[in-house]
Amino acid sequence: DADVTQTPRNRITKTGKRIMLECSQTKGHDRMYWYRQDPGLGLRLIYYSFDVKDINKGEISDGYSVSRQAQAKFSLSLESAIPNQTALYFCATSDGGGLAGGETQYFGPGTRLLVL
Amino acid sequence: GQSLEQPSEVTAVEGAIVQINCTYQTSGFYGLSWYQQHDGGAPTFLSYNALDGLEETGRFSSFLSRSDSYGYLLLQELQMKDSASYFCAVGTGGGNKLTFGTGTQLKVEL
Repeated sequence: DADVTQTPRNRITKTGKRIMLECSQTKGHDRMYWYRQDPGLGLRLIYYSFDVKDINKGEISDGYSVSRQAQAKFSLSLESAIPNQTALYFCATSDGGGLAGGETQYFGPGTRLLVL
Repeated sequence: GQSLEQPSEVTAVEGAIVQINCTYQTSGFYGLSWYQQHDGGAPTFLSYNALDGLEETGRFSSFLSRSDSYGYLLLQELQMKDSASYFCAVGTGGGNKLTFGTGTQLKVEL
């Protein structure tokens, strides 16, 4: 079984609709992240969380919200979807590494979202 | 803020050696990482450099020069399966986050 899972894998929605993307992990990591990937722009951080009570905005949080329901679950919501939120969304986890060992992030399979 | 630059595309032949460069500008630096992503797939971790020098893992090596704000990923004995996108990423935010470059698409040809 995959360590980091995302649901749904593909989603088509209409402008103005609210949608939720879900992420679950069995790695036991405290840190979880949401990224979006657009062609030519790489991975950009939307939100991240270091434990259930800790939520932080990333570089592109406008139009998104998150919920950390448990150590293993981190959901991303688009309250009112718009076409420029069409992208590939990745969830990732990390054990934090440390300055000496570096932080390795483990990514889920991604959710491909199309907003019409 | 943070910015990373890497070439958008590199093409090489099977069996050859290829180097993918990454230059960065960051406020605070906590290591340089490399990730591989095949088409339609999830990024996967390849290597990490905290200190200057070369780190080797099988056919892949990664180099860092902190004074030059520069690093590279070296892939040897290229195989067709190495065709993928490669992202450099710097640790920022006290080492709690990664900022990714825009990626280099590597095409390996026969």
